[in-house]
Amino acid sequence: KAGVTQTPRYLIKTRGQQVTLSCSPISGHRSVSWYQQTPGQGLQFLFEYFSETQRNKGNFPGRFSGRQFSNSRSEMNVSTLELGDSALYLCASSLAGQINQPQHFGDGTRLSIL
Amino acid sequence: AQSVTQLGSHVSVSEGALVLLRCNYSSSVPPYLFWYVQYPNQGLQLLLKYTTGATLVKGINGFEAEFKKSETSFHLTKPSAHMSDAAEYFCAVRAEFGSARQLTFGSGTQLTVLP
Repeated sequence: KAGVTQTPRYLIKTRGQQVTLSCSPISGHRSVSWYQQTPGQGLQFLFEYFSETQRNKGNFPGRFSGRQFSNSRSEMNVSTLELGDSALYLCASSLAGQINQPQHFGDGTRLSIL
Repeated sequence: AQSVTQLGSHVSVSEGALVLLRCNYSSSVPPYLFWYVQYPNQGLQLLLKYTTGATLVKGINGFEAEFKKSETSFHLTKPSAHMSDAAEYFCAVRAEFGSARQLTFGSGTQLTVLP
């Protein structure tokens, strides 16, 4: 069974640009969550999607947005990039998003802002 | 609000020695607790989870953790460290209600295994 796939693995952008990251969950998983990982702030929750609906959102500015498609694949978008957005962005999927179900993580997209 | 505290950002042990990584949580409702491991340039891999039932939880790679409600702790242990255990370890908590549904992580503990 294929794991969570994130594309691209590495991305370099400049300030002011926008970026879209993609996540394909494990087959059959309907819940997708996104996290930002930085050396200073650690792992921070961005948002969770289930059946194409945003179910939960972390404390990030509106420049960060996401969506989920009918096949459960998800994208997140960051507009007007800032230097502080440089991070590893992790996607995780779970079967139905229930609390007791573990989240399975992809290897992440490393975003560097110049 | 819920939170996780991992005592010791860096832990070093000798190969074959006991591994003990500490995790304390705060939650106003019964928590679900998880330990994840992250190897360089990879995502997080689930080691073990506590949801309900037995308080001693066994995970992969010989790791186990004990949920102690009275101490609000969920420490991770392994009897004998192996070189391949060198990685960063994260404790995380979730709960049933509102914003507590999101997975909240500790700041991580970098484990070094000395030959």
